[in-house]
Amino acid sequence: QPVLTQPPSASGTPGQRVTVSCSGSSSNIGTNDVYWYRQLPGTAPKLLIYRNNERPSGVPDRLSGSKSGTSASLAISGLRSEDEADYFCLVWDDSLSGYVFGTGTKVTAL
Amino acid sequence: EVQLVESGGGLVQPGGSLRLSCVASGFTFSNYWMHWVRQVPGEGLVWVSRIKSDGSRTNYADFVKGRFTISRDNAKNTLYLQMNSLRGDDTAFYYCATLRGTGDLDYWGQGILVTVSS
Repeated sequence: QPVLTQPPSASGTPGQRVTVSCSGSSSNIGTNDVYWYRQLPGTAPKLLIYRNNERPSGVPDRLSGSKSGTSASLAISGLRSEDEADYFCLVWDDSLSGYVFGTGTKVTAL
Repeated sequence: EVQLVESGGGLVQPGGSLRLSCVASGFTFSNYWMHWVRQVPGEGLVWVSRIKSDGSRTNYADFVKGRFTISRDNAKNTLYLQMNSLRGDDTAFYYCATLRGTGDLDYWGQGILVTVSS
């Protein structure tokens, strides 16, 4: 049973809004900050969102993060073909005393 | 420019050992927690271990406890991962990284492949 669960896939037509969820528990998302990464094939992950909803410089504001209770979400507005990638959430888990990545979501622009 | 360059990967037999290195440049290495993350090709990211800036604290994922040891040499700007008792399911790309969760930088190396097979 994964600690952080994400849907395997999400899709939308160009211009649509797509959301990726990350479901956890009180020992991780319920207590600690959530981070979101994008990974293109054959490359290292890139940070998109830190501390639940903050964007590093260079990340467009059409990407946004939110957290409520033991779940978090990444929203991609105005979907573009370059958004096609794998997306992962990351959280510290107090029970495990370690970080945990979500199971990952493949986003596709139809 | 921040760079993290891993080395030391390769093919090793089950039960064998390997030591990964990660040389950092472009930032003050001694100020940052450092992490190892691994990824089986085609699968998800898995956090492996972290070490505090001064080396005084470490944490490990349960599946590597007692087998892997993370360490660092701040004088050489180098992070290490000593991997013992390697198993087939340790086969993966291994990334060293600074993570935004433990500092104000988020950078990753290019990854190094470790293959455990007879």
